[in-house]
Amino acid sequence: QVRLVQSGSELKKPGASVRVSCKASGYTFTSYAMNWVRQAPGQGLEWMGWISTNTGIPTYAQGFTGRFVFSLDTSVSTAYLQITSLKADDTAVYYCAKDNPVWDGDRGVVLNPVDYWGQGTLVTVSS
Amino acid sequence: SSELTQDPDVSVALGQAVRITCQGDSLRSYYASWYQQKPGQAPVLVIYGKNNRPSGIPDRFSGSTSGNTASLTITGTQAEDEADYYCYSRDMSVNHLLVFGGGTKLTVL
Repeated sequence: QVRLVQSGSELKKPGASVRVSCKASGYTFTSYAMNWVRQAPGQGLEWMGWISTNTGIPTYAQGFTGRFVFSLDTSVSTAYLQITSLKADDTAVYYCAKDNPVWDGDRGVVLNPVDYWGQGTLVTVSS
Repeated sequence: SSELTQDPDVSVALGQAVRITCQGDSLRSYYASWYQQKPGQAPVLVIYGKNNRPSGIPDRFSGSTSGNTASLTITGTQAEDEADYYCYSRDMSVNHLLVFGGGTKLTVL
């Protein structure tokens, strides 16, 4: 069965860096892109971007460029999210989420639902 | 701000039907997918495409789209359906990248 297992909670000081890992199992890791999603306390889901696990090319949403870096280690089927120069408002739960591209024959486009999610990693930034 | 707009709060009586909507220009071209999130848990996919349910999702959940509005309908709503619901689709204003709606908190009375 498909599983995405994320690393544990982190407590960091402002200005520090953090790396969150997401280990995939139960499917061919390089066949499906990996999304990253942020959820600040009491807030909604925010798509941060995704990384092609085939090419390693990341795509970042607006607001997640510069300090946020997606990377991979395909040898261990693991995706990483690194955040540098942490700020208090980076405090959130971060999810990795597997893309599941689906061809929509009705409209002639590819849809990209997320079919599996990691359990989430709480990153707390506080002095 | 999200390019997919949802009502923040919806309530429904136990056993009744409820519709949760999501509006956005991209929905004229791309079907939304819908996610249920309960407190302290990761989201779960409940509907994708025109009206597809992943295995394990009860058939009381269904999806539909008309124009720029996608809808998630729950018939015979159960107490365990109380959760936050998010739509997810393309953002036509930003190079067709992906975006979540702001979410709808469903309260079962």
